[in-house]
Amino acid sequence: DAGVTQSPTHLIKTRGQQVTLRCSPKSGHDTVSWYQQALGQGPQFIFQYYEEEERQRGNFPDRFSGHQFPNYSSELNVNALLLGDSALYLCASSLGGRAVGEQFFGPGTRLTVL
Amino acid sequence: AQSVTQPDIHITVSEGASLELRCNYSYGATPYLFWYVQSPGQGLQLLLKYFSGDTLVQGIKGFEAEFKRSQSSFNLRKPSVHWSDAAEYFCAVGPNNAGNMLTFGGGTRLMVKP
Repeated sequence: DAGVTQSPTHLIKTRGQQVTLRCSPKSGHDTVSWYQQALGQGPQFIFQYYEEEERQRGNFPDRFSGHQFPNYSSELNVNALLLGDSALYLCASSLGGRAVGEQFFGPGTRLTVL
Repeated sequence: AQSVTQPDIHITVSEGASLELRCNYSYGATPYLFWYVQSPGQGLQLLLKYFSGDTLVQGIKGFEAEFKRSQSSFNLRKPSVHWSDAAEYFCAVGPNNAGNMLTFGGGTRLMVKP
């Protein structure tokens, strides 16, 4: 049973560029949440997708956008990258639109913005 | 707004010694509380969770946590630490009034001396 997978593992971009990160949820899960974890800090909630719609959003600018596909996988897009966007981006999956019950995290994508 | 404070940024204990990691939260109702562990370069693994009922909860790897409403605390404990327990530990609270996002503390880095 595959857990949550994320790609790519690492990514290096320059300021102003755009990036897309991908997440496949745990088998049987239909809800995907994205978190940003800056170095030395706890994860911060970006947004959550359920039934292909954004259900909740944290305190992140519109440069951060996402999408959920019919197979429940999800993408996180970040436009106009800033140095401060350098972080580990974590994807978490859960079931039934409720992230609180059991939320499983992927290994993350390490984004470095130069 | 909900918040989580982990007062200890770093803790060092000797192998075989007992461990207690502190977590204080701010939330307007009875929260859902979680402890996660993150090894270097890895995602987050759920150690245990509290939703309701018995205030002492048991988790994986020999960890337990006690919910104390009067102190707004959810401290993590282990009677005998193993070298493999060295990692970053995060306390989290959810849901908030608007949905199901998790709010994380800043984390406590545990080092284990041989």
